[in-house]
Amino acid sequence: EVQLLESGGGLVQPGESLRLSCAASGFTFSNYAMNWVRQAPGKGLEWVSAISGSGDSIYHADSVKGRFTISRDNSENTLHLHMNSLRGEDTAVYYCAKRNEFWSGSYGGYYFGMDVWGQGTTVTVSS
Amino acid sequence: DIQLTQSPSFLSASVGDRVTITCRASQGVSSFLAWYQQKPGKAPKLLIYAASTLQSGVPSRFSGGGSGTEFTLTISSLQPEDFATYSCQQLNTYPYTFGQGTKLEIK
Repeated sequence: EVQLLESGGGLVQPGESLRLSCAASGFTFSNYAMNWVRQAPGKGLEWVSAISGSGDSIYHADSVKGRFTISRDNSENTLHLHMNSLRGEDTAVYYCAKRNEFWSGSYGGYYFGMDVWGQGTTVTVSS
Repeated sequence: DIQLTQSPSFLSASVGDRVTITCRASQGVSSFLAWYQQKPGKAPKLLIYAASTLQSGVPSRFSGGGSGTEFTLTISSLQPEDFATYSCQQLNTYPYTFGQGTKLEIK
């Protein structure tokens, strides 16, 4: 069964750090780009970070750039999000998500979608 | 960054109704547009990718359309399990942005 399982969330004070992990199983982890997506209480989804299958390419949202770092360990099938200088506005449920590449015969190319999601881990930043 | 604006933000409908949600992009995203369904306390579920291709296992009452900057998600005949929040996402350019979501409620 294809599965993602996040861990590492918790309650921290502003300015503190936290590392989230996402354990993958049931698919060849290194073949897929992975993402972190968060959802603040009562709000919509916000894409946070992405990393290519090899780990060579990394992208972050402006809201977390310079504070968060995405990484992966393909030998351990694990994705991480290192979060520093946490702020109240970082309070959210954090999901890891697998980006799949789908061949579209209609358009003659590969298209993307996040087809597997973890159950989420909650990060609360509060004094 | 590419902004996605969904309309409406809230939609009240009845079982059996046909509903359409619109997602507009601030610049063209070709057909790199996906739709997700999310129920309270649960992770999002991929419904549609490439703007109009149904993900495996998704009922055929769901359909997507559009390209460039304007996209639609249509549910042809609402079922009780369809009442949820729907979000579009562009995967054309990083950062991969989401629309603000459309909450579909039972009338």
